[in-house]
Amino acid sequence: NAGVTQTPKFQVLKTGQSMTLQCAQDMNHNSMYWYRQDPGMGLRLIYYSASEGTTDKGEVPNGYNVSRLNKREFSLRLESAAPSQTSVYFCGLQGMNTEAFFGQGTRLTVV
Amino acid sequence: ILNVEQSPQSLHVQEGDSTNFTCSFPSSNFYALHWYRWETAKSPEALFVMTLNGDEKKKGRISATLNTKEGYSYLYIKGSQPEDSATYLCAQTGANNLFFGTGTRLTVIP
Repeated sequence: NAGVTQTPKFQVLKTGQSMTLQCAQDMNHNSMYWYRQDPGMGLRLIYYSASEGTTDKGEVPNGYNVSRLNKREFSLRLESAAPSQTSVYFCGLQGMNTEAFFGQGTRLTVV
Repeated sequence: ILNVEQSPQSLHVQEGDSTNFTCSFPSSNFYALHWYRWETAKSPEALFVMTLNGDEKKKGRISATLNTKEGYSYLYIKGSQPEDSATYLCAQTGANNLFFGTGTRLTVIP
């Protein structure tokens, strides 16, 4: 039982390159989330998916796309990375009014 | 967007001291208040989820209280230990997701 598996753990990109962050869960949660964490700021929501086949924008969606492939997987794509997207990214899942579970995080640097 | 604020931003305490920090949040349309413990290079782990005004929860030396009418929650750590060093996040449940504060970074000095 792995919980929330997020890959990769580290990534360095050049400006303009693309990449996809992968997230998979085995906890059978409907809702999945992508957050970014920057110094001096709390976790901020990028996109979320309330159920398979649905996605919605969060607080900071610009420059990102997501895909909810099935109930288990929720991926985050950067089509053309920018230095402002240097951050630590967390995939999470949560039931209504229950605790959230997070992946191990992806530390992304865009140079 | 829900404005969740935490104070202090950071603090250092001596091993054995007790400490507490604050989370303030909008009191209208309240669903739940979460506390997470976040160690460097790890993912946040849930401590408590509280939903009722006056709720008090305890896990070992850590406890939390909730006042939904005035919009605040306190996290208490009794007899701090070096392994308690971490960032403590609070978050409020919104319509579709959690809104996080910026955290309190606790350092326990041996």
